[in-house]
Amino acid sequence: DVKVTQSSRYLVKRTGEKVFLECVQDMDHENMFWYRQDPGLGLRLIYFSYDVKMKEKGDIPEGYSVSREKKERFSLILESASTNQTSMYLCASSPTGWGTQYFGPGTRLLVL
Amino acid sequence: GENVEQHPSTLSVQEGDSAVIKCTYSDSASNYFPWYKQELGKGPQLIIDIRSNVGEKKDQRIAVTLNKTAKHFSLHITETQPEDSAVYFCAASPRFQKLVFGTGTRLLVSP
Repeated sequence: DVKVTQSSRYLVKRTGEKVFLECVQDMDHENMFWYRQDPGLGLRLIYFSYDVKMKEKGDIPEGYSVSREKKERFSLILESASTNQTSMYLCASSPTGWGTQYFGPGTRLLVL
Repeated sequence: GENVEQHPSTLSVQEGDSAVIKCTYSDSASNYFPWYKQELGKGPQLIIDIRSNVGEKKDQRIAVTLNKTAKHFSLHITETQPEDSAVYFCAASPRFQKLVFGTGTRLLVSP
C-alpha cells in the first residue's frame, strides 16, 4: 500500500513564526503536492513538485514556499505565519503519467 | 482556468437508498475525472475515476457517468450503507498531473 505520512496531525503556531510542514512518501513517486482544505472551498493546490529540486506554483502559492531535496520528502514552508493560514494542509504523491494522487492524513494548523 | 462546481453540498439518505452527486466543469481540455472519499480525520482516498474516452464506469455499488458534451459527471452510490457516510470530492484534470477539486458533498446515511 502507498503510504504518505505527514509530520504532525495538529500544530499551533504564533503569527510571524516560520512553520515547516513535512511530508514523506514511500512509493518512489515522482510527483508530490501540497493542498490546503477549507470548508466550502474544497482542496486548493498550493505547490507541486515533479522531480527533486523542481517545483511549480499552484493556484494559491502566496505566503508559501516549498523544498524537495530528496525524492521521498516534500516540505511546505510558511515564512511568516498569518492567521489566514489557519487551515488543514494535505500532502499527496503520484507516479509519473496520469497517476492517482495518494493523500496523507493532513495537518491541522492553527495560527494564533 | 478550470472551475469545478459540485452539488449538493449536503445529502442525507436512508440506508439502502441511492445517492447521486453531480459535478460540472468548465475546461473542455479536462480528460480525467477522479472521485475521492474523505472520512473523518483522514485524507481523501480515491474511490473511482473515469477518463474522457469512457462514458460510464462501475465498481460494485459505485458508478460514475460522464457527459463530455454537457461537461458534467456524476457519482452514483446504490444500496447505501452507514459506512458510506463521508465527504465526497469530485475533481477534473485540465492538464498533466493537475487536479481541480469541487467543494465537496457531505453524505449522511441514516440506519
